[in-house]
Amino acid sequence: TQLLEQSPQFLSIQEGENLTVYCNSSSVFSSLQWYRQEPGEGPVLLVTVVTGGEVKKLKRLTFQFGDARKDSSLHITAAQPGDTGLYLCAGRYDLNDYKLSFGAGTTVTVRA
Amino acid sequence: KAGVTQTPRYLIKTRGQQVTLSCSPISGHRSVSWYQQTPGQGLQFLFEYFSETQRNKGNFPGRFSGRQFSNSRSEMNVSTLELGDSALYLCASSLGGTSGNTIYFGEGSWLTVV
Repeated sequence: TQLLEQSPQFLSIQEGENLTVYCNSSSVFSSLQWYRQEPGEGPVLLVTVVTGGEVKKLKRLTFQFGDARKDSSLHITAAQPGDTGLYLCAGRYDLNDYKLSFGAGTTVTVRA
Repeated sequence: KAGVTQTPRYLIKTRGQQVTLSCSPISGHRSVSWYQQTPGQGLQFLFEYFSETQRNKGNFPGRFSGRQFSNSRSEMNVSTLELGDSALYLCASSLGGTSGNTIYFGEGSWLTVV
């Protein structure tokens, strides 16, 4: 059974600070996606990473995929209150696996 | 292009009843999957359909079932509702041709069982 862990579970920071969320697995991902979810809404896709060592930037968000494709991180620079939400990493472990395995999520609160 | 559309958005059912939730995928997407989200368990995979065939199924009891129609629209049904079935049910769609396709979620259907 693959285990996907996210840390930390909660993060509360002041506007303008930086933050990093981590996603780790005991098994190799074939691909990994990061989502942000706001209360009462569905997860919104932020990025998909598939290549080991890949780094993707989306404005103030930087996503890294580990060389071994077992871990990933999401870094937010100069966080804003609009970044508040539940951040979820989700991975596929097998090329024939059509489902996503989700981490428990990291609840990020950015205080103005 | 329209996103994944789920109906209804909110519903309240009584224990023992059944419920049907509907999902319209993004145009051109042939894969539809369903997830249950609860505070305690997070997002759990229910099942996935592609071209009207169930390809994957999660670890849920047989009370949870689904189907997909020829136009890729999907429904999921929960029979004999229990209090623990209260959750946000999320539908997601993707092109479905390979497992590398990105999955996009709808806004979800909030089910409360009383």
